[in-house]
Formats: sequence, C-alpha cells, structure tokens
Amino acid sequence: KQEVTQIPAALSVPEGENLVLNCSFTDSAIYNLQWFRQDPGKGLTSLLLIQSSQREQTSGRLNASLDKSSGRSTLYIAASQPGDSATYLCAVYRDLYNTGTASKLTFGTGTRLQVTL
Amino acid sequence: EPEVTQTPSHQVTQMGQEVILRCVPISNHLYFYWYRQILGQKVEFLVSFYNNEISEKSEIFDDQFSVERPDGSNFTLKIRSTKLEDSAMYFCASMWYSNQPQHFGDGTRLSIL
Repeated sequence: KQEVTQIPAALSVPEGENLVLNCSFTDSAIYNLQWFRQDPGKGLTSLLLIQSSQREQTSGRLNASLDKSSGRSTLYIAASQPGDSATYLCAVYRDLYNTGTASKLTFGTGTRLQVTL
Repeated sequence: EPEVTQTPSHQVTQMGQEVILRCVPISNHLYFYWYRQILGQKVEFLVSFYNNEISEKSEIFDDQFSVERPDGSNFTLKIRSTKLEDSAMYFCASMWYSNQPQHFGDGTRLSIL
C-alpha cells in the first residue's frame, strides 16, 4: 500500500527566502507525482505534475524534482512571498498510460507554509 | 481557464437523510473522481469514474454511496443515509487523459447534525 509522507509538517520563513518542501513515498514503481496548494477552507490548486518518465518540472518560481529510486520529491520555492502562505500537498498516482483506467491520487499530510513580512 | 465547479459550497443535513453533492467537471475531461477530507486529516480517495462506470472505489465507498453522470456534464455523489462520520469536505476532480494533472473543485463542506 502506497504511503506518502511530507516533512516538515509546518514551516515559517521570512519573505524572500528560498525554501524546500519534501515528499517521500513508499512504492516507487511507475508513479506520477503532483504538487498542490490548498488555502484554508478552499480547494486544491494544481501546481506541477511530474510524470514518471520525467525528473523535474518548473513553473515560475516553483521547481519540483522526482527521484523514483529513492521515492522522494522536492518542491523548491524561490524568493518566497507572503502570498505563498498555504498548505502544500504532494500526491502520487500510478502511471496507467493508455490503459483507460482512472488512477487515484494518494496524498501526503501536507506542509503548512507561513511566509512572514 | 476552465475549472471544476461544485455545488453547494456548504450542506447541512440531519443524520439519516440523503444528500446529493453536485459537480460539473471540465468539459473535455474523461476521468472523474470524488475525494474527501475530514478536518485535520489527509485528502482520501473515494471513487473514480471512467467510460460511464466506476473504475475503482475505496473501502469508504460502501453501499451508502453512489455516483452518477446523468447528462454528460454533471457528476454527482449521493449518500443515502448520512452518518455523523460523513462530515467532511468533499472534492470533485477531473482529468483529461491518463498521466495528466487532476483538477479539483473548491469542495462541498458537508456537516451532519
């Protein structure tokens, strides 16, 4: 059974700092990994998807990497801003390309980020 | 940008009553999901739906739960006889094709009294 862990559970940094959020998963067979942002009481906003054949993805100030051999992913946020304050979730799902099967996401518990002025 | 929409945003229901949560997935997406998040806990998978049938369901998704895609645009989750422990945020998600990102709605907060 796939287990996803995120460390740290909470993080507070001053504005402008670069930071790294960690995600690890137990079953590293062919899985895609998706990072989300969740604001309090809100839905999940997709940030980045790393497909199982890829090693990293970038979007603006965000960079996510995937190391299947060690079962780890990191989300790097450059030059953090107060608007980045949210809970960040990682989730994995099996690569079922062309099978026609819908693959479920297994989520971590999240890292709650606070960026202070 | 297209988005997944869910209604209502908040539903309060007496224990034992039936409730229907509604979702409009992104229009050209082929895969549909329901997840839930109990306050302070992980987001957990309930059910996936593809090609007009359930693809996979979790242990949580027992006989009290059902899903429908009645008209090609809506995707509903029905809970026949609600329990206190069904209180949670319920999220609908859709995905265009395998290995693409799943897109989530803002959720329906279900409160069972």
